Formats: sequence, C-alpha cells, structure tokens
Amino acid sequence: ETGVTQSPTHLIKTRGQQVTLRCSSQSGHNTVSWYQQALGQGPQFIFQYYREEENGRGNFPPRFSGLQFPNYSSELNVNALELDDSALYLCASSATGPGTYEQYFGPGTRLTVT
Amino acid sequence: RKEVEQDPGPFNVPEGATVAFNCTYSNSASQSFFWYRQDCRKEPKLLMSVYSSGNEDGRFTAQLNRASQYISLLIRDSKLSDSATYLCVVNIGDYKLSFGAGTTVTVRA
Repeated sequence: ETGVTQSPTHLIKTRGQQVTLRCSSQSGHNTVSWYQQALGQGPQFIFQYYREEENGRGNFPPRFSGLQFPNYSSELNVNALELDDSALYLCASSATGPGTYEQYFGPGTRLTVT
Repeated sequence: RKEVEQDPGPFNVPEGATVAFNCTYSNSASQSFFWYRQDCRKEPKLLMSVYSSGNEDGRFTAQLNRASQYISLLIRDSKLSDSATYLCVVNIGDYKLSFGAGTTVTVRA
C-alpha cells in the first residue's frame, strides 16, 4: 500500500450539488495532485498543490477547486455538479516538491452524479 | 493529437509467453517516463520508471526511444497476475503527468 488515503470511497450526488473529496498524502510527501478518471480512459490531470498553493492546473473549469493544508492533506471541491463529472477521482502524492514525478496514488473516490 | 497514445489491446497471451507493447508521446520536451499498472476498479500503481538507457525490473523491461518518441514495455514469462491495464505516463512541464488510456493485457492459463 502507498499510504495515500482518500475519503469517501463512494459518493452519489445529484446534478447541481457540490461535493468535497479528501486526500491524505503519504508520510513525507508534500505535493498532492488530483486526477479524474472516466471509465475506459486514463487519469486526467486536474491540478497540483505544493506548499498550500495551486502549482499547476489541467483543462478543468473553475468549478473544480482545491485546498492543501499545513499537514499536506488536500481537498478537491466540485461545484454545480454535471452528469459528466461522474468518474473515479484519484489523488496522488509525491515527495520533495513538484520536480519529483514519481507519484503514488490513493484508492480513489468513485463519484456518481445522477 | 493526444499527448500520449497507446494501443488499447487487449493482448491475450498464454502463461509463460512474452508480450510487448508501445506508447507514443507528442511532447519532445518530456523528460520523465513511467509505466503504471492498474487493476480493474483500483488505483494506478507505479510499475517502473523508464530511463534513457532502458531498464529492467525482473521480468519487465522498459525502453525509451527519444528520436521516435515512443516507450515500450516487455513482459517475459507472463503470469496470471500480470493481467491488468498498463498505463504509459509522460511528464508534461514541471508538474503535470499525462496518462495514456492504457493497454489491457490478459494472461490465460
């Protein structure tokens, strides 16, 4: 196991609602990245947090936002949920800042939007 | 053009066989390359990093061809437990990893 944990495991929401997903990074890792994985696709990069700031962002709208806390844990918030937001949301942690590319994934949160 | 493209397979091979597959990437400035393994409905797990000189980890061998911008993975002496989706991963810029859609390998008894 990587030591990266995520909660909740599964979640069902209704279109238009808001959701918060949580991630605790592996011990010693200070960088957290979030990914969205739709069925049959590879993970798509949402954003990365380092030192409590967003360090980079993929092609996701502003209704996807995040936070990183002093203990390096992180949250992903999605507002105004759409049906297409249904996916597996993965967080990954890495050590020693954004220049380290080996990332270790948590088990993911499976979000279903109805 | 997609940043990372993989043959989706599936590659269906008997136990003990050798299977190999490639992925291509579009950004010539990419510096880091990885293979991840993903089991059904589970998280991706780092299988191996890919170095310029090529590298081997047990039954797995990865090669990088920068000139043609492709990465390969070869699995020797396939085991039933090797059945999974293999994700090719390339770094884009300072922070972003770009994943291919995955190559599915099924090893049959």
